[in-house]
Amino acid sequence: EAQVTQNPRYLITVTGKKLTVTCSQNMNHEYMSWYRQDPGLGLRQIYYSMNVEVTDKGDVPEGYKVSRKEKRNFPLILESPSPNQTSLYFCASSLSGAGRVNSPLHFGNGTRLTVT
Amino acid sequence: QQQVKQSPQSLIVQKGGISIINCAYENTAFDYFPWYQQFPGKGPALLIAIRPDVSEKKEGRFTISFNKSAKQFSLHIMDSQPGDSATYFCAARAGNRGSTLGRLYFGRGTQLTVWP
Repeated sequence: EAQVTQNPRYLITVTGKKLTVTCSQNMNHEYMSWYRQDPGLGLRQIYYSMNVEVTDKGDVPEGYKVSRKEKRNFPLILESPSPNQTSLYFCASSLSGAGRVNSPLHFGNGTRLTVT
Repeated sequence: QQQVKQSPQSLIVQKGGISIINCAYENTAFDYFPWYQQFPGKGPALLIAIRPDVSEKKEGRFTISFNKSAKQFSLHIMDSQPGDSATYFCAARAGNRGSTLGRLYFGRGTQLTVWP
């Protein structure tokens, strides 16, 4: 089954403790991206990757790191999490770019992160 | 600066009625306008999308109306059903080359509730 898989689904951590949220897609997609969803703010782009070894900042990259060493994986790293990073995070992928009419963006089911 | 403005924030519609969600943008470089539907506990999924060279696109009960001169587009859900209750996001993507292909800007979302 074609899918974007995020792990873990839920994560509770403390301020300053480094964490990684994994994202993997099995569709051979070139493009991958991370979004965070907060009430009243919608989906905001954190980082994206047009292809392997190519990453770029979105609207809210501060406090996050990403890497794209292989096509299928795009982990999101929080080196020193803070409470304002408590949010619902989504990984997404598409064949090319952030979606086209015949190549939409596919989302994972999300990771709910709580930083205390 | 919010690239895509979406309204209303929430919408309650009677079963069988028409749901209308509106979005507006300023960036004339946007060339792809998708709508995403999100159910609780799930990631957003593409519902329908349009390019600016088309004024209307219909898929079943869902229609996008696009007004290029006004820089507005809207989602119409005909014969709304309780199963349509979800959060709806409009989005826009710019350009046809380079890194702009990686930026998909979302509206803040509309929580639709359809009463039986």
